[in-house]
Amino acid sequence: QQQVRQSPQSLTVWEGETAILNCSYEDSTFNYFPWYQQFPGEGPALLISIRSVSDKKEDGRFTIFFNKREKKLSLHITDSQPGDSATYFCAAPGYQNFYFGKGTSLTVIP
Amino acid sequence: DMKVTQMPRYLIKRMGENVLLECGQDMSHETMYWYRQDPGLGLQLIYISYDVDSNSEGDIPKGYRVSRKKREHFSLILDSAKTNQTSVYFCASRGCSDYTFGSGTRLLVI
Repeated sequence: QQQVRQSPQSLTVWEGETAILNCSYEDSTFNYFPWYQQFPGEGPALLISIRSVSDKKEDGRFTIFFNKREKKLSLHITDSQPGDSATYFCAAPGYQNFYFGKGTSLTVIP
Repeated sequence: DMKVTQMPRYLIKRMGENVLLECGQDMSHETMYWYRQDPGLGLQLIYISYDVDSNSEGDIPKGYRVSRKKREHFSLILDSAKTNQTSVYFCASRGCSDYTFGSGTRLLVI
């Protein structure tokens, strides 16, 4: 059973555009959602996170929007840069471990 | 500096050989994980360790075993490696809320 789903699987945007990455989940008890960023050849690293008491979390060019009623989140990357090209994972904490989505591969074209 | 270190970074083994992947962390985290990552499949959980000699199967434990004799060290063992175990393996440790991942071991079984 897939607890966390991400879309699209891959996304290409031009430099300067806003990239929107989507995430949905099934378990309404989830209350914390980190996003991890993974560059080729490296392990995932925490990028930004949000708790369910908030509907928005901003960190520079990265913003999470959270819709608790619809069980959906989105990560917006404004003014996308080629250095943002990476795979992004949405996650939610289960009892023993995080449930990770399958990731969105973002390519930013200069 | 919080760090998870994986050794080796690259490994080539023949089918039927034994494989040892090593992971260390310097944060005294109790909980550690082994994942494998394959294209399109995201991060698949192999094993969880809650502390020394306290391990639990993840979603895909078949063909793997683990060892944790010290809190800072967590090993993944493949007894008689198979070609379908060719993958990138990530170790992670979990602090209060988030994971810290290592840089991965790229294993090729021929």
